[in-house]
Amino acid sequence: SYVLTQPPSVSVAPGKTATITCGGHNVGGRTVHWYQQKPGRAPVVVMYYDTDRPSGIPERFSGSNSGNTATLTISRVEAGDEADYYCQVWDRSSEDWVFGGGTKLTVV
Amino acid sequence: ELQLVESGGGLVQPGRSLRLSCTTSRFAFGDYAMSWVRQAPGKGLEWVAFIRSKADGGTTQYAASVKGRFTISRDDSKSIAYLQMNSLKAEDTAVYYCTRGGGVYGDYADTFDIWGQGTLVTVSS
Repeated sequence: SYVLTQPPSVSVAPGKTATITCGGHNVGGRTVHWYQQKPGRAPVVVMYYDTDRPSGIPERFSGSNSGNTATLTISRVEAGDEADYYCQVWDRSSEDWVFGGGTKLTVV
Repeated sequence: ELQLVESGGGLVQPGRSLRLSCTTSRFAFGDYAMSWVRQAPGKGLEWVAFIRSKADGGTTQYAASVKGRFTISRDDSKSIAYLQMNSLKAEDTAVYYCTRGGGVYGDYADTFDIWGQGTLVTVSS
């Protein structure tokens, strides 16, 4: 089945830019959704269809997807952005909804 | 605020059954595909089951790890989605989230745009 690979952790200083990657074979040919999950809370979608931002999500969040890597970028990082982030695609061959392993974003 | 509410979790012995429910009163439930996604303690997200809207055929799909043991269903008249879990195993221990969305359109699928707060299922003797 299709595999999405994320770095386990990313650290960034407040005010800097965080880049969270999601690797998969030709993931650029698929549509990627991103979820943010804070401790003890349900996931929240922060980016859908690669680059679309839901209402209520700050413009500091942006997405891209090309080749074998999809990327979630968070500009001017704030302490409140600290969370786990998951990428997700639908795999037509297996008819599975596949999540990446998740990336813990730490604001240091 | 759009909302989903799960119920039915708890402690259950291996090999036994449990049924989870997910309800809403905040949107036209019957118009949407619904899914269940679980998260084992300290682990990542894992999609479990999916059901299309009746308009799209109401068909279902399952992750390999639960196929043959779990059944997703829906009662649109009550705005409820169910997850019937049989032959439970210790590795089914997780928080189970009900989500809206995931509808498939050719080569892509919608996002899971609304999530419930989750219900904990613990499988242990």
